[in-house]
Amino acid sequence: QITLKESGLTLVKPSQTLTLTCSFSGFSLTTTGVGVGWIRQPPGKALEWLALIFWDDDKRYSPSLKNRLTISKDTSRNQVVLSMTNMDPVDTATYYCAQTDLMRNVGAFGYWGQGAPVTVSS
Amino acid sequence: DIQLTQSPSSLSASVGDRVTITCRASQIIDNYLNWYQQKPGKAPNLLIYAAFKLQSGVPSRFSGSGSGTDFTLTISSLEPDDFATYYCQQSHSTPRTFGQGTKVEIK
Repeated sequence: QITLKESGLTLVKPSQTLTLTCSFSGFSLTTTGVGVGWIRQPPGKALEWLALIFWDDDKRYSPSLKNRLTISKDTSRNQVVLSMTNMDPVDTATYYCAQTDLMRNVGAFGYWGQGAPVTVSS
Repeated sequence: DIQLTQSPSSLSASVGDRVTITCRASQIIDNYLNWYQQKPGKAPNLLIYAAFKLQSGVPSRFSGSGSGTDFTLTISSLEPDDFATYYCQQSHSTPRTFGQGTKVEIK
């Protein structure tokens, strides 16, 4: 059974750095083809893909946010961490982590965390 | 970046109706197209991957078709549980992108 859960601060001030942790179970991030991604959704708006890290440590970022994002993994702890610098009120959103598998489902996000609501306000 | 355009952005339908949602990609993505259902306050749920493959546990009234740039999600007979927002997403390349969503409302 695959599960993912996001954790981190729910309220950050403008210009601060957001750090979110995705803790997962039921799969290994050392398995060929497996990755974990981050997706966010501002209130009432569409989903926006942010970043992705693969089993081989290949990292991909949204071009519009690339300068502000860092994704990393700790395979021994089954965690993926996303950092986003210089937070702004427009970054207020629910942040999801999700598992992807290039071998099993052509890279769709088959399993999602419950989401972490983040508010950026002074 | 590959842009995905969904249509319509919203629709009203009745229980039992056949519903079709389309997703057009700005360039050829073969069959790397996935569909999700999202209900308010919940994470998205994968329905269809690789354009037409039904995710395990998803009812057979959901189906997907298409290849290249034009794709369709069909709900053969709308159930009360199907009123939600639907998103397409491409996994052909990064950045991964989502469509803007289609909200299916009760008529």
